Amino acid sequence: ILNVEQSPQSLHVQEGDSTNFTCSFPSSNFYALHWYRWETAKSPEALFVMTLNGDEKKKGRISATLNTKEGYSYLYIKGSQPEDSATYLCAFRGNTGKLIFGQGTTLQVKP
Amino acid sequence: EAGVAQSPRYKIIEKRQSVAFWCNPISGHATLYWYQQILGQGPKLLIQFQNNGVVDDSQLPKDRFSAERLKGVDSTLKIQPAKLEDSAVYLCASSLAFTGYTEAFFGQGTRLTVV
Repeated sequence: ILNVEQSPQSLHVQEGDSTNFTCSFPSSNFYALHWYRWETAKSPEALFVMTLNGDEKKKGRISATLNTKEGYSYLYIKGSQPEDSATYLCAFRGNTGKLIFGQGTTLQVKP
Repeated sequence: EAGVAQSPRYKIIEKRQSVAFWCNPISGHATLYWYQQILGQGPKLLIQFQNNGVVDDSQLPKDRFSAERLKGVDSTLKIQPAKLEDSAVYLCASSLAFTGYTEAFFGQGTRLTVV
């Protein structure tokens, strides 16, 4: 059974703080690592699809890095804003084509 | 571009009753997924279709859950009979294919409460 782990489970920060979370995944049979943001009462929204070891992707204040050899990815948020409050999910896609999710990190940004 | 449509948004049923959820994926998307997300946990893949064929249903409790994707487009997920532990958000997603680089697009989900 493939295991995708995220930490921490939840995080409370003040507006303006920078923060980061971790996603650990199997290092074998790797095809891609996806990051999603899921706001309450909305659909999960894709942030990044990462495929190459050493990949770094950025969207505004959010960036992500990927290490496929050791099986981890970091998501960084610079200068958190209240609108960043959401659950951040990572998902591993291996050679079976299945998209396996971690349990998510719930971020709460206080004004 | 229209997104993934799911209905209903909310459903409350008594245990042992039946329930069905519907999903209309993005036009042209060959791959369709159903996920179950229990509070505090990550989404768990129940079934994955490629067109109208099943790619993976290893975690679908087949004694009570069934799913079909007629003509490779819309899909329904049924639970019969429901148990209390089936209370969850049921998410439908679609993608162009199930290769590594393709992004999956999600619907808003159906929140099921079994009482």
